[in-house]
Amino acid sequence: EDQVTQSPEALRLQEGESSSLNCSYTVSGLRGLFWYRQDPGKGPEFLFTLYSAGEEKEKERLKATLTKKESFLHITAPKPEDSATYLCAVQAGGSQGNLIFGKGTKLSVKP
Amino acid sequence: DSGVTQTPKHLITATGQRVTLRCSPRSGDLSVYWYQQSLDQGLQFLIQYYNGEERAKGNILERFSAQQFPDLHSELNLSSLELGDSALYFCASSDGSLYGYTFGSGTRLTVV
Repeated sequence: EDQVTQSPEALRLQEGESSSLNCSYTVSGLRGLFWYRQDPGKGPEFLFTLYSAGEEKEKERLKATLTKKESFLHITAPKPEDSATYLCAVQAGGSQGNLIFGKGTKLSVKP
Repeated sequence: DSGVTQTPKHLITATGQRVTLRCSPRSGDLSVYWYQQSLDQGLQFLIQYYNGEERAKGNILERFSAQQFPDLHSELNLSSLELGDSALYFCASSDGSLYGYTFGSGTRLTVV
């Protein structure tokens, strides 16, 4: 069964304290791995798509990496405005395009 | 603005009632996906339509149904509502590429 597990469930950081979020996945034929940011009461906002092991993508203070079993979202010198829930999702090769989501990591960055 | 429009933003209704949620996809996108997000389950795929036809079904209850119209907007119908149906319902649209998967801002449904 295709599934996505994110850890930790919640993470509290001080401003400037770098850390990483983990996304472990089991999927039959990975077509793509997605990272989204979600603010309370809002829709998920697209951050990255990764396709193959070894791939890395960066956007401002965020960097996403992918291996054959997991993905990491590295946050460098976070700011309070980075506080949000970060969602990981996979699209299986045999699917019609629907995504399988993890439950997310709620990040809080204190000034 | 993501380009995906969902209405209404909030809906409060009683158990046993029926509601309709509406989604207008981003211009040019032919695929529409519906997801349910509850506190303990995270985002769960419900159903997908492509150019008016049903393409895939996920964990959608028999009390729920959807359709996509010729102008590509989609509606999700929820009937015989129960307290447990209270959740955020999101619509996403896609152009078929792995970059073009965009979510709307959701409809918060509260069943009392």
